[in-house]
Amino acid sequence: GQQVMQIPQYQHVQEGEDFTTYCNSSTTLSNIQWYKQRPGGHPVFLIQLVKSGEVKKQKRLTFQFGEAKKNSSLHITATQTTDVGTYFCAGSNFGNEKLTFGTGTRLTIIP
Amino acid sequence: KAGVTQTPRYLIKTRGQQVTLSCSPISGHRSVSWYQQTPGQGLQFLFEYFSETQRNKGNFPGRFSGRQFSNSRSEMNVSTLELGDSALYLCASSLEGGPQNYGYTFGSGTRLTVV
Repeated sequence: GQQVMQIPQYQHVQEGEDFTTYCNSSTTLSNIQWYKQRPGGHPVFLIQLVKSGEVKKQKRLTFQFGEAKKNSSLHITATQTTDVGTYFCAGSNFGNEKLTFGTGTRLTIIP
Repeated sequence: KAGVTQTPRYLIKTRGQQVTLSCSPISGHRSVSWYQQTPGQGLQFLFEYFSETQRNKGNFPGRFSGRQFSNSRSEMNVSTLELGDSALYLCASSLEGGPQNYGYTFGSGTRLTVV
């Protein structure tokens, strides 16, 4: 079945440093979504990417979808304490409504 | 508008018992999915319901079941609880086209502890 892996599993950064998490699928995806889960909270939808090579930005967050539609990345510039949480990618295959979540990357910020 | 509402927020049950969790989706959302979240396994898909029918199913044993009512509210049931069922159970709703097209709105979850 479809597998979605994320690296790294954990990331500790100094406040103000950049952060990147990578998402890799074993199969070609029809689209990819990103979610953020704050400690003690629930996942919150951030964005969806659909096109090959697509890049979208939300303030300090940059999302990319790979040309082969098998990988994606989330980059945060100049992290802040509010960025703390676990970031999940989630992908679906063509013709399959099920979303498969990645293993997540937990980001902690050192003030 | 109101978000996804899950009840109860916390539950403690004994091994062998059964439990029913409830989820009310966002108004207008007819797709409801359930996930199990544990520290070791991440977010594991249980099942998705749409128009009172199970549309997708994950790889969980038959002890895990669910249903959806005509008002889109959903329940999931776990019978013969095991210690390993301790987890955060998340309900997520989506527009009719499904989460793969519109994304999920998650509820706050039900924290189930089996002792």
